[in-house]
Amino acid sequence: EDQVTQSPEALRLQEGESSSLNCSYTVSGLRGLFWYRQDPGKGPEFLFTLYSAGEEKEKERLKATLTKKESFLHITAPKPEDSATYLCAVQDFGNEKLTFGTGTRLTIIP
Amino acid sequence: EADIYQTPRYLVIGTGKKITLECSQTMGHDKMYWYQQDPGMELHLIHYSYGVNSTEKGDLSSESTVSRIRTEHFPLTLESARPSHTSQYLCASRLGTDHRAFFGQGTRLTVV
Repeated sequence: EDQVTQSPEALRLQEGESSSLNCSYTVSGLRGLFWYRQDPGKGPEFLFTLYSAGEEKEKERLKATLTKKESFLHITAPKPEDSATYLCAVQDFGNEKLTFGTGTRLTIIP
Repeated sequence: EADIYQTPRYLVIGTGKKITLECSQTMGHDKMYWYQQDPGMELHLIHYSYGVNSTEKGDLSSESTVSRIRTEHFPLTLESARPSHTSQYLCASRLGTDHRAFFGQGTRLTVV
């Protein structure tokens, strides 16, 4: 059974203080690993898809990386508007569902 | 920005009532999904559809039912709501050739 574990559960950073969020996963055959951002009371917003170890994707202050066992979401010089819950999900071949982690709740303090 | 809409956004309803949560997308996506999310918990797949007249149950057991009569519309129905159905329900869609799933804003259901 696919599993996703995210750490830390919550992270508070000062504005401009860079850090990384971790997503550890086990899957029989990785079709894709996905990062989403979720604001309170809203649906998840798609950020990145990673398909194979060594792949990296960037968007503004966010960079996602992938190894065979985990993914990192690096946040560089974050701003208060980056505050949200960041969700990681995996999909394996032959399976329609996304298996989600419980997320990391990120708070950026001005 | 994804064009997938859910109504209502919030619903408070009494035990035993029948309810339908609406989900529509204007992107022409063939695959659609319903996920359930409790506060602080992960999303769980409860139903999905490959296309018109196709519906499948997800991993999480649910007393709800779905239908897919039109490509753009994927409603979820609870015949008799119970307090245990209180949760957030999220609809998503994707194009079969694209692995990215796009989510609606969600319906927060409270059964009293």
